[in-house]
Parts: sequence; structure tokens; C-alpha cells
Amino acid sequence: EIVLTQSPGTLSLSPGERATLSCRASQGVSSSYLAWYQQKPGQAPRLLIHGASNRATGIPDRFSGSGSGTDFTLTISRLEPEDFAVYYCQQYGSSPPHTFGQGTKLEIK
Amino acid sequence: EVQLVESGGGLVKPGGSLRLSCAASGFPFSNYNMNWVRQAPGKGLEWVSSISSGGSYIYDADSVKGRFSISRDNAKNSLFLQMNSLRAEDTAVYYCARDTSSGWFAGWGYWGQGTLVTVSS
Repeated sequence: EIVLTQSPGTLSLSPGERATLSCRASQGVSSSYLAWYQQKPGQAPRLLIHGASNRATGIPDRFSGSGSGTDFTLTISRLEPEDFAVYYCQQYGSSPPHTFGQGTKLEIK
Repeated sequence: EVQLVESGGGLVKPGGSLRLSCAASGFPFSNYNMNWVRQAPGKGLEWVSSISSGGSYIYDADSVKGRFSISRDNAKNSLFLQMNSLRAEDTAVYYCARDTSSGWFAGWGYWGQGTLVTVSS
């Protein structure tokens, strides 16, 4: 089973700053099968990125994804107030489970 | 508009059973793989189970294998999760989620609002 470890657990930043969130896999993950989600309190997750670097429909271009193999990154170039939330990476394997990372909480400093 | 609406959650005693439903609309349901994901109170997301578009392929997390059973009725545009031998650690909000694309993995772009399952005596 592939384990995804996200860091940091909590990231405290101010609006306008740049956020860099990390997702590290215990084994290599095909870039095609790495996604990122945003979740706000009381809401369902929202797909941000699929295929490691492809923005989902309607996602602002301040969100970008990169990486390959075992190391993946979600970058938010300039934080807006609505970006403060919890972010999860997910790997979708040809052999399940389709695991999620434990999440990174992005909070206002 | 794609809509996924879960129902069937509630309070159940340990060892009991519950059947969750997810009513889908706004898209050709039979074309898409479907999934269940849960989130315990204050915790992260946990994948539970997935079923292929035609229902032939089913995958379950080890934590629910042998106790939970995913199924679908394409004629009724519905997804189900039969949960047996429930434990306290199954307490969570359960979401159904749809693959974004019918042909390849492009994330799970559509989610229901979730239904709360509480397992307690």
C-alpha cells in the first residue's frame, strides 16, 4: 500500500503570500494518478489538480501542481482569503487502495 | 448539473447495519466509476470503496473488507453502500464521489454533501 505523507501539518501564512505544500509517497506514483483537493469546514472536498499538474475546471491559475515519482507539490502563488482551508493529496492506483494524505491545514497568520 | 445526494445515515449500535444510498442526476450514471469516501470527526479523508461503471470491478479498503459492500443500480442512477458489523471507528461522514472523466483518472471532481453515520451504544 502506498502511503502519502503531507508536510507541513499546518502552514500559517498571510494573504498575498506564496504557499508551498508537499506530498511525499512511500513508493513511486504515476503522475497521471496524483490529485489535490481543497476542503473547507462543513463542505465536501473540491478537486483542484489532477495528473499532478492539471488544473480542474474552474480552478484559478494561482493554483499549480508539480512533481513526479515520490515528491509532489501544490503551490498557491498569491493567497486569497478564500484559500485558507485543508488540502489533501490523493494517489489513485491501478491496484487500490486509492489513498489520501493526512492533509495540510493552511491557516491565516 | 451534476448532483449527488447521499442518504441513509443515522445512529446505529455497534454490530448493527446500515445502507447508504447516493442518488445521481445530471449525467449518464452508467458511464462513470463511483466511489465512497469517509471522514471521521475532525480527521482526514479515507477512501472506502470503488465500483466500476458497469459494476464488474469492486475495490474495498482493508478497514471495511468483509463488512461493507458497494453496489450500484444503473437503471435507477443509484449507488449504495451496505455496511454490516459496524464499529465505533466507522463513525464518519460518508461521501459519494464521481470520477471526473469516464475514460481515465482525472480526479474525483463531483462529490455529494455527505451523510453522517454514528455508531454508538
